[in-house]
Amino acid sequence: QVQLVQSGSELRKPGASVKVSCKASGYIFTTYSMNWVRQAPGQGLEWMGWIDTNTGNPTYGQGFTGRFVFSLDTSVSTAYLQISSLKAEDTAVYYCAMSSGYLFDQWGQGTLVIVSS
Amino acid sequence: QSALTQPASVSGSPGQSITISCTGTSSDVGGYNYVTWYQQLPGKAPKLLIYEVSNRPSGVTNRFSGSKSGNTASLTISGLQAEDEADYYCNSYTSSHSWVFGGGTKLTVL
Repeated sequence: QVQLVQSGSELRKPGASVKVSCKASGYIFTTYSMNWVRQAPGQGLEWMGWIDTNTGNPTYGQGFTGRFVFSLDTSVSTAYLQISSLKAEDTAVYYCAMSSGYLFDQWGQGTLVIVSS
Repeated sequence: QSALTQPASVSGSPGQSITISCTGTSSDVGGYNYVTWYQQLPGKAPKLLIYEVSNRPSGVTNRFSGSKSGNTASLTISGLQAEDEADYYCNSYTSSHSWVFGGGTKLTVL
């Protein structure tokens, strides 16, 4: 069955970087795009952008340009989210979600990133 | 892109029906039939409930239904059950070739 498994929780200091992974299984990785969604503590869902798993071309949502980078390693069916120059307000759960069209079919379990000195 | 507008909370008793609204603009909800609803149980990842306004994925009970009129989409849950207590989010494709979520609605089953 389709499954997205994300890397574990991370604790970083302000100014540091973090890389979150999302390993896909149960389908052909390059068939569906991968989205990233942020959820700050006690807050709603926020779409961050998506990456075309066929071409590797990323598209960033409003507010997620500059410090956020989406990447892939298709050899291991894995998508990555890297955030640099971390700020306290980046503290959130980050989800990957595969998309077969105009919907997010399947979600990873989420990765909690805590930014604190 | 501003978030879609949902009520912060709704409540209902077991067996009743409730409706959650999701208001956007002609650039998102009103412009496309690509409205999706997700259910998020406490501490869990969101789960797809409704796609393309009113379609249910296999495995989702027909107690959940979706509709749209103009710039407002709606999710109706009939025959409320205790297990329906969760946060519900709408989502729409937009004219900017992006996606936007609603602020979320907390459903309490009394």
